[in-house]
Amino acid sequence: GAVVSQHPSWVICKSGTSVKIECRSLDFQATTMFWYRQFPKQSLMLMATSNEGSKATYEQGVEKDKFLINHASLTLSTLTVTSAHPEDSSFYICSARRGFGNEQFFGPGTRLTVL
Amino acid sequence: KNQVEQSPQSLIILEGKNCTLQCNYTVSPFSNLRWYKQDTGRGPVSLTIMTFSENTKSNGRYTATLDADTKQSSLHITASQLSDSASYICVVKEDSWGKLQFGAGTQVVVTP
Repeated sequence: GAVVSQHPSWVICKSGTSVKIECRSLDFQATTMFWYRQFPKQSLMLMATSNEGSKATYEQGVEKDKFLINHASLTLSTLTVTSAHPEDSSFYICSARRGFGNEQFFGPGTRLTVL
Repeated sequence: KNQVEQSPQSLIILEGKNCTLQCNYTVSPFSNLRWYKQDTGRGPVSLTIMTFSENTKSNGRYTATLDADTKQSSLHITASQLSDSASYICVVKEDSWGKLQFGAGTQVVVTP
């Protein structure tokens, strides 16, 4: 149990376009989902925390208007990178947990390349 | 300053040999410490989890230790296999808000 999926696994887009990444908890209801970004040879950096039905909480330095997060159901959260630029190219990983204090389960990640 | 420091940054070992990875942390208050394995281009997968009162935890060929007094942990890989090539990340959970603090990882390469 506790499987988290992401779609797509990789995406290449042109600069200025928007890209949506989906994160799904397949066999449990996730009250909270997290979005991370990971640059090469670096660790995961938390971007934002989203609770189902409420606005996401963004970490300092993360532009909320650029990285739109929607957590419309207990099994789905989406991250939209708006007006993507080459510096947004990164590995985006989501995680999900059942409730406060429970383990986070990570998705397989989405590789975004902006040309 | 990162609250979780890992060493070495990378290491190369021969197949069949053992190795030990280190993790020092300053996170407080402490809830638990996990070691994750992250294959290239994949998300992290949990190997072990230890709470304050646990000193050692094994998962197959992986054995983690924790010294909560000195705030140090280690991950020992026994009889390494080629499939062990990955990044190993130490993650400490804060007790108050449950926030995860990530180490930068140790990149392990197992060669034939």
